[in-house]
Amino acid sequence: EADIYQTPRYLVIGTGKKITLECSQTMGHDKMYWYQQDPGMELHLIHYSYGVNSTEKGDLSSESTVSRIRTEHFPLTLESARPSHTSQYLCASSESTVTREKLFFGSGTQLSVL
Amino acid sequence: AQSVTQPDIHITVSEGASLELRCNYSYGATPYLFWYVQSPGQGLQLLLKYFSGDTLVQGIKGFEAEFKRSQSSFNLRKPSVHWSDAAEYFCAVASSTDSWGKFQFGAGTQVVVTP
Repeated sequence: EADIYQTPRYLVIGTGKKITLECSQTMGHDKMYWYQQDPGMELHLIHYSYGVNSTEKGDLSSESTVSRIRTEHFPLTLESARPSHTSQYLCASSESTVTREKLFFGSGTQLSVL
Repeated sequence: AQSVTQPDIHITVSEGASLELRCNYSYGATPYLFWYVQSPGQGLQLLLKYFSGDTLVQGIKGFEAEFKRSQSSFNLRKPSVHWSDAAEYFCAVASSTDSWGKFQFGAGTQVVVTP
């Protein structure tokens, strides 16, 4: 089964705090992604990475930033959290972009900003 | 514009009954098509995928989906639903021409299974 991990599973935090959502995978995948998911809405791609030192913004504008210093690690950071950032954040990785085999997803981080 | 539409937000089905979830897409070229399932508190899991060839694809957990180019559809089916199939189901597409595998997801269909 997929080995992609997200922490924390749930996070409740006050406005203005800096937060980092962790995502790690042990499959050696080059491609990693962050999606934002709101109830009843489609998943929106907010960041993706081809590999180490490669990051790009996705379709949905986000105030978050990401880094990819190691293949297995793709953290997402919000410098100053706001209530509008309340959402579920899903991290994913994929084996191949040529054949697009499939995405492996973490269990998600449910973020609530008060 | 590229889009993925799942017309049914919520479906209730009796255990043992058949299930069909609809997915329509709007894409410039024939896309790669996927169905994912998300159980409560879990990440998404791939059920099945279509790249080319036979338009009826079999997936895990007894699910199948049929690609119909003329209707731009990729509907998911299961002949007999089990209580464990209660979950949210997402249809997704990815371009067959993009170089890096950019997935676009529908809004999801919530499936409730009644005894």
